[in-house]
Formats: sequence, structure tokens, C-alpha cells
Amino acid sequence: AQSVAQPEDQVNVAEGNPLTVKCTYSVSGNPYLFWYVQYPNRGLQFLLKYITGDNLVKGSYGFEAEFNKSQTSFHLKKPSALVSDSALYFCAVRDWNYGGATNKLIFGTGTLLAVQP
Amino acid sequence: KAGVTQTPRYLIKTRGQQVTLSCSPISGHRSVSWYQQTPGQGLQFLFEYFSETQRNKGNFPGRFSGRQFSNSRSEMNVSTLELGDSALYLCASSLELGTRGMNTEAFFGQGTRLTVV
Repeated sequence: AQSVAQPEDQVNVAEGNPLTVKCTYSVSGNPYLFWYVQYPNRGLQFLLKYITGDNLVKGSYGFEAEFNKSQTSFHLKKPSALVSDSALYFCAVRDWNYGGATNKLIFGTGTLLAVQP
Repeated sequence: KAGVTQTPRYLIKTRGQQVTLSCSPISGHRSVSWYQQTPGQGLQFLFEYFSETQRNKGNFPGRFSGRQFSNSRSEMNVSTLELGDSALYLCASSLELGTRGMNTEAFFGQGTRLTVV
């Protein structure tokens, strides 16, 4: 079964420092991986997705993600954190439906990013 | 281009009542999925529709149902509400139904916050 894990409930970083939010995955077949961000009382905003063959994927708002097949990881990164980046971040993987196509996503538990000024 | 629109944004219902939530996907998107978000269970998949057909269903009781109309708008219904149904309900739309060869991202609405008292 497809799954993702986010080992950290919270990540604290000072403004201007680089940030990393961790995600590991377990999949059958090709990994279709995504990162989303959620601000308080809002829906999820799409940040980026893994593209087969690209080990470094660039996304919105200066975020990027590093795909590592041997470590089955898809960590979210940003070179310089902003206070406005403080939010809840979710890693997700598309489910594998042998019976047909699906857009069903399986989400990690989320990581709260707190950027201190 | 307008995003995914969910109505209403907030709803308070009494136990035993029923509720209908609405979702208008991004223009041209034919795939709509619903998720329930709670602090304890995180983000859980409810169901998925494509071209008016339910393609996938999550592990929720039969009190949860949905449908999709010919214009791709979708509704979900919860009957005989329980306190545990209090949650943020999120709708997501995608351009096409994801297949092995496509990595289609989903775009989420702001959600409907349902409180059952």
C-alpha cells in the first residue's frame, strides 16, 4: 500500500536560515509525490510535485524538493526561510489503484513549520 | 481563472440532522475528490468522482454520500450527523483522472468547516 511519513510534528527555524521539512515514502510502482501547504482556516495550496527523472524539483514561493530514490525520501527545502512561510506542510502520494486511474491522495500527518523573526 | 469554490464556508448542525456541502471545481476540471480533515485523523479520503461517476470511495460509513453533476459540480451529503463528523471538509479538483502516465496535481478549495453540536 502507498504511504508517506513525516517524522517531525514541528520544525523551528530562524528567518533567513535554510529550512527542510522531511518526507519519506513507500510505494508500489512509480512514486507520484506532492507537497501542499495549509495556512490557518484555509484549504491546501499546491507547492510542487515530483517529476520522474528530476531529483530536484522547483515549486512555488521559492520552495524546492529533493527526491532520493535510495533513501525513499522527498524532502521539502527552501534556501532562506521567511516568517510568512510559517504554516502546516503536507507530503502526499497518489494512491495505486490496480483497477484503474485515480487522483486519490494519501497524506502524511503534516509538519508545522514555525519561522522565528 | 477562478479556483475551487466550496459553499458554505461554515456550518453548525445538530446531531441527527443531515447536511449537504457543495463544490464547484476549476473550470474545465472533470475530476473532483472530497477529504475530511480532523486533528485526530488528519486528512482522509472520502470519495472521488469523474464524469459523474464515483471512481473511488474511502473507508467511511454509508451516511457519507456524494454525487457529481454534468457540469462537474459536486455535492456531498452526510445524514444522521454525529459529533465525530465535526471537521473541515475539503474538495479538490483535477484536470483529468490520474493514470500511470500522468502526474496530475489537485487544487483544493477553502473547505467547509462543519461543527456538529
